[in-house]
Amino acid sequence: EPEVTQTPSHQVTQMGQEVILRCVPISNHLYFYWYRQILGQKVEFLVSFYNNEISEKSEIFDDQFSVERPDGSNFTLKIRSTKLEDSAMYFCASTPLAGPNTQYFGPGTRLTVL
Amino acid sequence: RKEVEQDPGPFNVPEGATVAFNCTYSNSASQSFFWYRQDCRKEPKLLMSVYSSGNEDGRFTAQLNRASQYISLLIRDSKLSDSATYLCVVNRGDGATDSWGKLQFGAGTQVVVTP
Repeated sequence: EPEVTQTPSHQVTQMGQEVILRCVPISNHLYFYWYRQILGQKVEFLVSFYNNEISEKSEIFDDQFSVERPDGSNFTLKIRSTKLEDSAMYFCASTPLAGPNTQYFGPGTRLTVL
Repeated sequence: RKEVEQDPGPFNVPEGATVAFNCTYSNSASQSFFWYRQDCRKEPKLLMSVYSSGNEDGRFTAQLNRASQYISLLIRDSKLSDSATYLCVVNRGDGATDSWGKLQFGAGTQVVVTP
């Protein structure tokens, strides 16, 4: 069964450093998402992406964040200058279509900012 | 008021017993509803979508009450492997905007099935 993959599984970085989290969505999917989950808290929407542009973003997704689909398979989340409060699990998800479709989640990247 | 609210539990359930729990959502324009399960430090995995008429998938039954804005999940004949956090998830999309994809998660209900 096809699945969403994410790398790395765990990223440790120093405050102020840039990080890039990578995702490979399911191959025939068209809509891509990033969510985050701070330890002990709920999963929160960050951004949705379709046709090479952002469809919607939350208030969490400020100027420090950006997303890109640099080629036909990868979907990346960049955090320009990490803060301690960026420490969280970051999940990528994808769906084949818009609308109330099932979103398939990747295994997540655990980001630890020191 | 939180957009999606759940009883955090934990619900301690003997193996073989039935457990049920609810979730409420605040936005009456919400269009689609799901139960996901999440194991410790893992990704959310879809358990089932929730339809207006109610639906069943094996030992799991989901109900939706739009008038009262709540969703329920019932697990029959609980297995040890059912121990997890169950996430109530709502999609607020109204079709007129691009908000279809924005899933809103509850904080989860923890279920612990004991031998």
